[in-house]
Amino acid sequence: KQEVTQIPAALSVPEGENLVLNCSFTDSAIYNLQWFRQDPGKGLTSLLLIQSSQREQTSGRLNASLDKSSGRSTLYIAASQPGDSATYLCAVLGNFGNEKLTFGTGTRLTIIP
Amino acid sequence: KAGVTQTPRYLIKTRGQQVTLSCSPISGHRSVSWYQQTPGQGLQFLFEYFSETQRNKGNFPGRFSGRQFSNSRSEMNVSTLELGDSALYLCASSTGLAGTTGELFFGEGSRLTVL
Repeated sequence: KQEVTQIPAALSVPEGENLVLNCSFTDSAIYNLQWFRQDPGKGLTSLLLIQSSQREQTSGRLNASLDKSSGRSTLYIAASQPGDSATYLCAVLGNFGNEKLTFGTGTRLTIIP
Repeated sequence: KAGVTQTPRYLIKTRGQQVTLSCSPISGHRSVSWYQQTPGQGLQFLFEYFSETQRNKGNFPGRFSGRQFSNSRSEMNVSTLELGDSALYLCASSTGLAGTTGELFFGEGSRLTVL
């Protein structure tokens, strides 16, 4: 059974700093990995999707990496802004025959102005 | 392009009642998946429908069921509600199965409170 863990559960950093969020998963047989953000009381917004054959993806100030063999992914946020405050979730999609999305526990990020 | 629409956004029910939630996917998306989000358990996969067929199911009791119509709209039903069913129910749509062909797009959710 796939288990996805995100550490830390909460993180506060001053505005302007770069930061890294971590995601680890137990079963490396994944199809892809996605990073989402969720604002309070809202749905999820997809940030980056990394296919299992890829090592990283970039979008603006965000960079996500994937090391499938070690079961780890990181989300790097450069020059953080107060608008980045949200809960960040990673999710892994199982391979064919097990196409279920398993979510991590989330990291609640607060950017201090 | 309209996003994923979930109705109702909020609802309050009492134990033993049943509830039906609706999800309209992005136009052209054939996959709709449902998730339950609670503070204690986080986000958990309920089931996924693709072209009117249930393709995958999570570990939830039979009280949770769903269906998908020919226009890809989906409904989920929870019967004999329990207090523990109080949660934010999210649906997501994608072009292919479970997001294998791309990103998942989520609705804002239906917040169910069971009293």
